[in-house]
Amino acid sequence: KAGVTQTPRYLIKTRGQQVTLSCSPISGHRSVSWYQQTPGQGLQFLFEYFSETQRNKGNFPGRFSGRQFSNSRSEMNVSTLELGDSALYLCASSRKAGAVDEQYFGPGTRLTVT
Amino acid sequence: AQSVTQLGSHVSVSEGALVLLRCNYSSSVPPYLFWYVQYPNQGLQLLLKYTSAATLVKGINGFEAEFKKSETSFHLTKPSAHMSDAAEYFCAVIKTGANNLFFGTGTRLTVIP
Repeated sequence: KAGVTQTPRYLIKTRGQQVTLSCSPISGHRSVSWYQQTPGQGLQFLFEYFSETQRNKGNFPGRFSGRQFSNSRSEMNVSTLELGDSALYLCASSRKAGAVDEQYFGPGTRLTVT
Repeated sequence: AQSVTQLGSHVSVSEGALVLLRCNYSSSVPPYLFWYVQYPNQGLQLLLKYTSAATLVKGINGFEAEFKKSETSFHLTKPSAHMSDAAEYFCAVIKTGANNLFFGTGTRLTVIP
């Protein structure tokens, strides 16, 4: 069974640009959650999607958005990039909504904003 | 508010020695607690989770954790460290009313040969 895949793995963008990251969950998983990992703030929850609906959202500005498609693949978008958005973005999939069900993490997309 | 505190951002042990990584939680009700491991350039992998079924939880790779309500702790242990255990370990909690994980700041484990 293929694991969670994230594309691209590495990305370099300039301040003010926007970026779209993609996450393909494990087959049969309907929930996708996104997390941001930085040395200063650690791991922080961004949002969760289940059956194409955002169920839960963390404390991030509106520049961070996401969506989920009917095949459960998810994308997150960051507009008007800032230097502080440089981070490892992790997505996790699970069969059910919520975090009690085991979440399987992808390898992450490392975004560098210059 | 529920949160977790990991004591010690870096822990070093000799190969074959006991591994003890500390996690304390603050919660007014029994929480769901987790330990995740992150190897370099990889995502997180679930080691074990506590969901109030049993206070001693056994996980993968020989790790276990004991939920102690009196101490509000959920420390991770392994009797004998292997070189392959070198990684960063995160304690996490699900807060009441939310369905996402809140992570501690992490503990980097170094295993000395």
